[in-house]
Amino acid sequence: SAVISQKPSRDICQRGTSLTIQCQVDSQVTMMFWYRQQPGQSLTLIATANQGSEATYESGFVIDKFPISRPNLTFSTLTVSNMSPEDSSIYLCSVEWGGLSTDTQYFGPGTRLTVL
Amino acid sequence: GNSVTQMEGPVTLSEEAFLTINCTYTATGYPSLFWYVQYPGEGLQLLLKATKADDKGSNKGFEATYRKETTSFHLEKGSVQVSDSAVYFCALRLTGGGNKLTFGTGTQLKVEL
Repeated sequence: SAVISQKPSRDICQRGTSLTIQCQVDSQVTMMFWYRQQPGQSLTLIATANQGSEATYESGFVIDKFPISRPNLTFSTLTVSNMSPEDSSIYLCSVEWGGLSTDTQYFGPGTRLTVL
Repeated sequence: GNSVTQMEGPVTLSEEAFLTINCTYTATGYPSLFWYVQYPGEGLQLLLKATKADDKGSNKGFEATYRKETTSFHLEKGSVQVSDSAVYFCALRLTGGGNKLTFGTGTQLKVEL
């Protein structure tokens, strides 16, 4: 499987500021995904990021709030903009690995964000 | 739409007890099914998967069988350990359908001595 790292692992931020989360993979992957896990809840997909194209956002998530970059096949960033306490969550990136329709998604360790 | 329903937690068991965590799904196509585990303070790890009906996924003593007739993918382990304490997520992904994972709400398992 791919080895995925995220930075920072956790952060405490003030309301109104922005935080950029980095996701690095040790292999080239086509598809990367960003998820949010709100406290005590399950994971929700924010967007899918393919290299060389604009990210595709899920319903309820917009580019102005969660801009994503995907400059190459091993790296992506997610920015949480103009943060409010409701943005306090764990943010996880994942990559697809393994082949065609039976691809499996592997997850990074997550970034635990607290907004005061 | 697609959805995954898991049994409510938390589940508390004694060490060496038998574990079942129920998972049922609704899907518009033919999904692959997954169990992920999240240990305290960590990210998600793939535990096992099954890609077609009657497949059995297994790993670390855990098993789950893809039952198309009952649209279920229940997780089982014959003898749990304290180290199995974690949150377990059932998930589905439609093949060729945009690669999105749909997760259940998660079931917290606590194993005591």
